[in-house]
Amino acid sequence: AQSVTQLDSHVSVSEGTPVLLRCNYSSSYSPSLFWYVQHPNKGLQLLLKYTSAATLVKGINGFEAEFKKSETSFHLTKPSAHMSDAAEYFCVVYRTGRRALTFGSGTRLQVQP
Amino acid sequence: EPEVTQTPSHQVTQMGQEVILRCVPISNHLYFYWYRQILGQKVEFLVSFYNNEISEKSEIFDDQFSVERPDGSNFTLKIRSTKLEDSAMYFCASRDSSGGALGGLYEQYFGPGTRLTVT
Repeated sequence: AQSVTQLDSHVSVSEGTPVLLRCNYSSSYSPSLFWYVQHPNKGLQLLLKYTSAATLVKGINGFEAEFKKSETSFHLTKPSAHMSDAAEYFCVVYRTGRRALTFGSGTRLQVQP
Repeated sequence: EPEVTQTPSHQVTQMGQEVILRCVPISNHLYFYWYRQILGQKVEFLVSFYNNEISEKSEIFDDQFSVERPDGSNFTLKIRSTKLEDSAMYFCASRDSSGGALGGLYEQYFGPGTRLTVT
């Protein structure tokens, strides 16, 4: 069965510095992977998705993620953090048997001024 | 931009009471979902709904839960006899028909959630 593991429950960076949120996946075949973001009191918003078209995926707000099959990873990065990036980020895999999304445990990103 | 809405934002109920959580999906969407997140735990899939019937449901979605699309706009989750462990944030999501029944590649749009507190 497909699953994802987010390696950090909490990440703190300074404004203007790079962001790295780590995610490893488990899947017996090529998965569909997503990153969602949740700002306080807001719904879950799709940042980007990997669907095997390209290994480097660009999303909204300057975020991108690289699918690395050899490392079973799908880490989320951004070159320069902004205060508005502070939120909870979820790595998500589409579970084909269930036809639904399976979420990681989430990483809370804190951005310091 | 169209969005999924959910009401109420916070619901407090006593154990054993019935609650109905309401969602208004995006108007041209055909697939509907409920997820929940118990405090400090992962977001978990509950149920998917298409063409006025349940498509998939998880082990969590037992007989105390039911879903309904009573009219052309609302999508509801009913919990018949709430338990303390039902306290969670409940998210509704919807997507359009792109990708057909499999649809895994296409974005699910989530609402802001309803926080259910069972006392």
